[in-house]
Amino acid sequence: DVKVTQSSRYLVKRTGEKVFLECVQDMDHENMFWYRQDPGLGLRLIYFSYDVKMKEKGDIPEGYSVSREKKERFSLILESASTNQTSMYLCASRAGNTEAFFGQGTRLTVV
Amino acid sequence: DQQVKQNSPSLSVQEGRISILNCDYTNSMFDYFLWYKKYPAEGPTFLISISSIKDKNEDGRFTVFLNKSAKHLSLHIVPSQPGDSAVYFCAASGIGRGSTLGRLYFGRGTQLTVWP
Repeated sequence: DVKVTQSSRYLVKRTGEKVFLECVQDMDHENMFWYRQDPGLGLRLIYFSYDVKMKEKGDIPEGYSVSREKKERFSLILESASTNQTSMYLCASRAGNTEAFFGQGTRLTVV
Repeated sequence: DQQVKQNSPSLSVQEGRISILNCDYTNSMFDYFLWYKKYPAEGPTFLISISSIKDKNEDGRFTVFLNKSAKHLSLHIVPSQPGDSAVYFCAASGIGRGSTLGRLYFGRGTQLTVWP
Protein backbone atom coordinates (compact mmCIF):
# COMPACT_ATOMS: atom_id res chain seq x y z
CA ASP A 1 0.00 0.00 0.00
CA VAL A 2 1.40 3.37 -1.05
CA LYS A 3 2.27 5.80 1.66
CA VAL A 4 3.00 9.47 2.17
CA THR A 5 3.73 10.20 5.80
CA GLN A 6 3.87 13.62 7.41
CA SER A 7 5.79 13.89 10.65
CA SER A 8 3.05 15.54 12.73
CA ARG A 9 -0.76 15.70 12.64
CA TYR A 10 -0.98 18.74 14.90
CA LEU A 11 1.62 21.35 15.73
CA VAL A 12 1.53 24.53 17.81
CA LYS A 13 4.41 26.98 17.43
CA ARG A 14 5.20 30.49 18.60
CA THR A 15 5.57 33.50 16.33
CA GLY A 16 9.15 33.85 15.12
CA GLU A 17 10.05 30.19 15.60
CA LYS A 18 11.68 28.20 12.80
CA VAL A 19 9.38 25.31 11.93
CA PHE A 20 10.19 22.11 10.09
CA LEU A 21 7.52 19.96 8.46
CA GLU A 22 8.75 16.61 7.21
CA CYS A 23 7.28 14.36 4.55
CA VAL A 24 8.38 10.89 3.50
CA GLN A 25 7.08 8.77 0.62
CA ASP A 26 7.79 5.11 -0.04
CA MET A 27 6.85 4.97 -3.74
CA ASP A 28 10.09 6.17 -5.35
CA HIS A 29 8.22 9.12 -6.90
CA GLU A 30 10.27 11.84 -8.50
CA ASN A 31 7.77 14.65 -7.82
CA MET A 32 6.91 15.91 -4.36
CA PHE A 33 4.75 18.87 -3.36
CA TRP A 34 3.81 21.04 -0.42
CA TYR A 35 0.35 22.64 -0.38
CA ARG A 36 -1.56 24.59 2.18
CA GLN A 37 -5.33 24.46 2.47
CA ASP A 38 -7.34 27.38 3.80
CA PRO A 39 -11.14 27.78 3.81
CA GLY A 40 -12.42 29.14 0.52
CA LEU A 41 -8.96 29.13 -1.06
CA GLY A 42 -8.59 25.46 -1.91
CA LEU A 43 -5.16 23.85 -2.23
CA ARG A 44 -2.41 26.35 -2.91
CA LEU A 45 1.01 25.16 -4.02
CA ILE A 46 3.90 26.42 -1.92
CA TYR A 47 6.84 24.56 -3.47
CA PHE A 48 7.45 21.44 -5.45
CA SER A 49 10.44 19.29 -6.27
CA TYR A 50 10.88 17.21 -9.41
CA ASP A 51 14.14 15.56 -8.40
CA VAL A 52 16.62 15.36 -5.56
CA LYS A 53 18.03 18.82 -4.75
CA MET A 54 15.71 20.39 -7.37
CA LYS A 55 12.90 22.70 -6.38
CA GLU A 56 10.54 25.19 -7.90
CA LYS A 57 8.42 27.88 -6.35
CA GLY A 58 4.72 27.41 -6.42
CA ASP A 59 2.09 30.11 -6.10
CA ILE A 60 2.76 31.21 -2.50
CA PRO A 61 6.44 30.58 -1.63
CA GLU A 62 6.98 33.70 0.49
CA GLY A 63 8.03 32.88 4.02
CA TYR A 64 8.81 29.24 3.17
CA SER A 65 11.78 27.24 1.97
CA VAL A 66 12.21 23.55 1.17
CA SER A 67 14.85 20.88 1.18
CA ARG A 68 15.10 17.62 -0.76
CA GLU A 69 18.36 15.84 0.01
CA LYS A 70 16.97 12.35 -0.59
CA LYS A 71 14.37 11.19 -3.08
CA GLU A 72 11.94 9.96 -0.44
CA ARG A 73 12.01 13.03 1.83
CA PHE A 74 10.76 16.57 1.24
CA SER A 75 10.92 19.12 4.03
CA LEU A 76 9.06 22.40 4.33
CA ILE A 77 10.66 25.10 6.46
CA LEU A 78 8.95 28.14 7.88
CA GLU A 79 11.89 30.47 8.44
CA SER A 80 10.13 32.65 11.01
CA ALA A 81 6.60 31.50 11.72
CA SER A 82 3.83 34.08 11.64
CA THR A 83 0.17 33.86 12.58
CA ASN A 84 -0.89 34.06 8.92
CA GLN A 85 0.88 30.75 8.37
CA THR A 86 -1.65 29.00 10.58
CA SER A 87 -3.09 26.46 8.17
CA MET A 88 -3.44 22.83 7.11
CA TYR A 89 -0.28 21.72 5.31
CA LEU A 90 -0.44 18.85 2.86
CA CYS A 91 2.42 16.94 1.29
CA ALA A 92 1.98 14.90 -1.88
CA SER A 93 4.06 12.78 -4.22
CA ARG A 94 3.54 11.82 -7.82
CA ALA A 95 5.16 9.80 -10.58
CA GLY A 96 4.95 11.47 -13.97
CA ASN A 97 1.44 12.09 -15.28
CA THR A 98 -0.48 9.93 -12.83
CA GLU A 99 -2.45 10.52 -9.66
CA ALA A 100 -0.77 12.22 -6.71
CA PHE A 101 -0.88 10.66 -3.26
CA PHE A 102 -1.32 12.86 -0.24
CA GLY A 103 -0.22 12.60 3.35
CA GLN A 104 -2.67 12.93 6.23
CA GLY A 105 -1.94 16.64 6.67
CA THR A 106 -0.42 18.74 9.43
CA ARG A 107 -2.61 21.27 11.19
CA LEU A 108 -0.20 24.04 12.19
CA THR A 109 -1.23 26.75 14.62
CA VAL A 110 1.10 29.72 15.14
CA VAL A 111 0.40 31.68 18.31
CA ASP B 1 -4.76 33.56 -12.19
CA GLN B 2 -6.64 30.34 -11.57
CA GLN B 3 -6.21 27.83 -14.37
CA VAL B 4 -8.70 25.40 -12.83
CA LYS B 5 -12.00 26.75 -11.55
CA GLN B 6 -14.79 25.25 -9.53
CA ASN B 7 -17.44 27.93 -9.52
CA SER B 8 -19.82 26.30 -7.06
CA PRO B 9 -18.46 26.39 -3.51
CA SER B 10 -21.24 24.12 -2.29
CA LEU B 11 -23.81 21.60 -3.46
CA SER B 12 -26.60 19.95 -1.48
CA VAL B 13 -28.24 16.75 -2.75
CA GLN B 14 -30.70 14.27 -1.34
CA GLU B 15 -29.55 10.71 -0.72
CA GLY B 16 -30.14 8.47 -3.73
CA ARG B 17 -30.11 11.32 -6.22
CA ILE B 18 -27.36 12.29 -8.64
CA SER B 19 -24.63 14.73 -7.62
CA ILE B 20 -22.99 16.69 -10.42
CA LEU B 21 -19.84 18.64 -9.65
CA ASN B 22 -18.42 20.92 -12.30
CA CYS B 23 -14.96 22.16 -13.19
CA ASP B 24 -13.61 24.47 -15.88
CA TYR B 25 -10.06 24.99 -17.01
CA THR B 26 -8.31 27.58 -19.14
CA ASN B 27 -5.03 25.97 -20.21
CA SER B 28 -5.38 24.00 -23.46
CA MET B 29 -2.11 22.20 -22.64
CA PHE B 30 -3.77 20.23 -19.84
CA ASP B 31 -4.10 16.59 -20.83
CA TYR B 32 -4.87 14.74 -17.60
CA PHE B 33 -7.64 15.51 -15.14
CA LEU B 34 -8.37 14.18 -11.69
CA TRP B 35 -10.95 14.39 -8.92
CA TYR B 36 -10.08 14.19 -5.25
CA LYS B 37 -12.27 13.89 -2.20
CA LYS B 38 -11.32 15.42 1.13
CA TYR B 39 -12.76 14.94 4.60
CA PRO B 40 -11.93 17.46 7.35
CA ALA B 41 -8.55 16.94 9.05
CA GLU B 42 -7.47 14.37 6.44
CA GLY B 43 -5.44 14.49 3.25
CA PRO B 44 -7.24 14.38 -0.11
CA THR B 45 -7.84 10.94 -1.56
CA PHE B 46 -7.82 10.21 -5.27
CA LEU B 47 -11.21 9.34 -6.76
CA ILE B 48 -11.04 9.11 -10.50
CA SER B 49 -9.11 10.50 -13.46
CA ILE B 50 -9.47 10.97 -17.19
CA SER B 51 -7.00 11.45 -19.99
CA SER B 52 -7.68 13.98 -22.72
CA ILE B 53 -7.95 11.19 -25.30
CA LYS B 54 -11.19 10.08 -23.64
CA ASP B 55 -14.46 11.85 -22.98
CA LYS B 56 -15.77 9.57 -20.23
CA ASN B 57 -14.40 7.37 -17.49
CA GLU B 58 -16.46 5.32 -15.08
CA ASP B 59 -15.63 3.70 -11.75
CA GLY B 60 -18.56 2.31 -9.82
CA ARG B 61 -20.82 5.16 -8.73
CA PHE B 62 -18.40 7.78 -10.07
CA THR B 63 -18.23 8.97 -13.67
CA VAL B 64 -16.11 11.79 -15.03
CA PHE B 65 -17.02 13.50 -18.29
CA LEU B 66 -14.60 15.64 -20.28
CA ASN B 67 -15.61 18.21 -22.89
CA LYS B 68 -12.35 19.44 -24.39
CA SER B 69 -13.90 21.99 -26.71
CA ALA B 70 -15.64 23.66 -23.76
CA LYS B 71 -12.67 23.07 -21.43
CA HIS B 72 -15.09 21.59 -18.95
CA LEU B 73 -15.27 18.44 -16.89
CA SER B 74 -17.83 17.10 -14.48
CA LEU B 75 -18.04 14.41 -11.85
CA HIS B 76 -21.29 12.49 -11.52
CA ILE B 77 -22.04 10.49 -8.39
CA VAL B 78 -24.98 8.10 -8.68
CA PRO B 79 -26.59 7.30 -6.33
CA SER B 80 -25.35 9.83 -3.79
CA GLN B 81 -24.84 8.60 -0.24
CA PRO B 82 -24.40 10.52 3.05
CA GLY B 83 -20.81 9.23 3.23
CA ASP B 84 -20.08 11.15 0.04
CA SER B 85 -20.38 14.41 1.98
CA ALA B 86 -16.92 15.97 1.62
CA VAL B 87 -15.02 18.62 -0.30
CA TYR B 88 -14.32 17.62 -3.90
CA PHE B 89 -11.33 19.05 -5.73
CA CYS B 90 -10.79 19.05 -9.45
CA ALA B 91 -7.16 18.98 -10.66
CA ALA B 92 -5.33 19.10 -13.98
CA SER B 93 -1.85 18.57 -15.30
CA GLY B 94 -0.28 19.22 -18.63
CA ILE B 95 2.13 18.37 -21.34
CA GLY B 96 4.90 20.21 -19.63
CA ARG B 97 8.60 19.80 -20.03
CA GLY B 98 11.11 19.11 -17.34
CA SER B 99 10.11 20.58 -14.05
CA THR B 100 6.55 21.55 -14.95
CA LEU B 101 5.50 18.10 -16.18
CA GLY B 102 4.57 16.80 -12.76
CA ARG B 103 2.73 19.82 -11.41
CA LEU B 104 -0.96 19.53 -10.55
CA TYR B 105 -3.26 22.55 -10.64
CA PHE B 106 -6.23 22.45 -8.28
CA GLY B 107 -9.57 24.18 -8.17
CA ARG B 108 -10.85 25.68 -4.92
CA GLY B 109 -13.17 22.80 -4.19
CA THR B 110 -16.90 22.17 -3.86
CA GLN B 111 -18.42 21.14 -0.55
CA LEU B 112 -20.93 18.36 -1.25
CA THR B 113 -23.58 17.64 1.37
CA VAL B 114 -25.76 14.58 0.89
CA TRP B 115 -28.80 14.60 3.19
CA PRO B 116 -31.02 11.64 4.05
